Amino acid sequence: ETGVTQTPRHLVMGMTNKKSLKCEQHLGHNAMYWYKQSAKKPLELMFVYNFKEQTENNSVPSRFSPECPNSSHLFLHLHTLQPEDSALYLCASSQEATMGNQPQHFGDGTRLSIL
Amino acid sequence: GEDVEQSLFLSVREGDSSVINCTYTDSSSTYLYWYKQEPGAGLQLLTYIFSNMDMKQDQRLTVLLNKKDKHLSLRIADTQTGDSAIYFCAESMRTGGGNKLTFGTGTQLKVEL
Repeated sequence: ETGVTQTPRHLVMGMTNKKSLKCEQHLGHNAMYWYKQSAKKPLELMFVYNFKEQTENNSVPSRFSPECPNSSHLFLHLHTLQPEDSALYLCASSQEATMGNQPQHFGDGTRLSIL
Repeated sequence: GEDVEQSLFLSVREGDSSVINCTYTDSSSTYLYWYKQEPGAGLQLLTYIFSNMDMKQDQRLTVLLNKKDKHLSLRIADTQTGDSAIYFCAESMRTGGGNKLTFGTGTQLKVEL
């Protein structure tokens, strides 16, 4: 139990579908992150939210749309995805996003497969 | 630039020590981290070290940092089968938006009986 819960754990969707990934943290943190983990590639940072404000968008295509309604919840809305978007999507949280000594705590991820 | 490199595989016998190595390129790194990922799970924080330290020990784990060579290592003493996993090193750097973690590609550790 890491304190960061992601749902669903697995998701299969067609390229024309719309779905959302959910992340919830119970650690009292103020920063939340979305990462993409593809086979044989380093973890790619997608988005960062600090105190509900988006502070980083790492050139992510607009078919990925994040939402952070409060410091405990983070969503990733998906629409018209491509096969190359199939990956493990990891959510993380930290106390806040500006200090380097704030470790990030990860959820178990959502395994996304695009048909 | 930002580049963190690790060897892809390491195989050790149970009870031996494992040493996982990592090199990074950005000398402005503030903190360096080690994470462990087991199959079907996310990344579990193992330990981290501030860039002005050269060693940190935590039970079976020893982190060594050579800042001059930009080399980080994780030593696992008395390696057990439960240590089989992928190990990621990551460097934390200050950016315009705050602190950013850059991860290596991970080292797959296999522990054999």
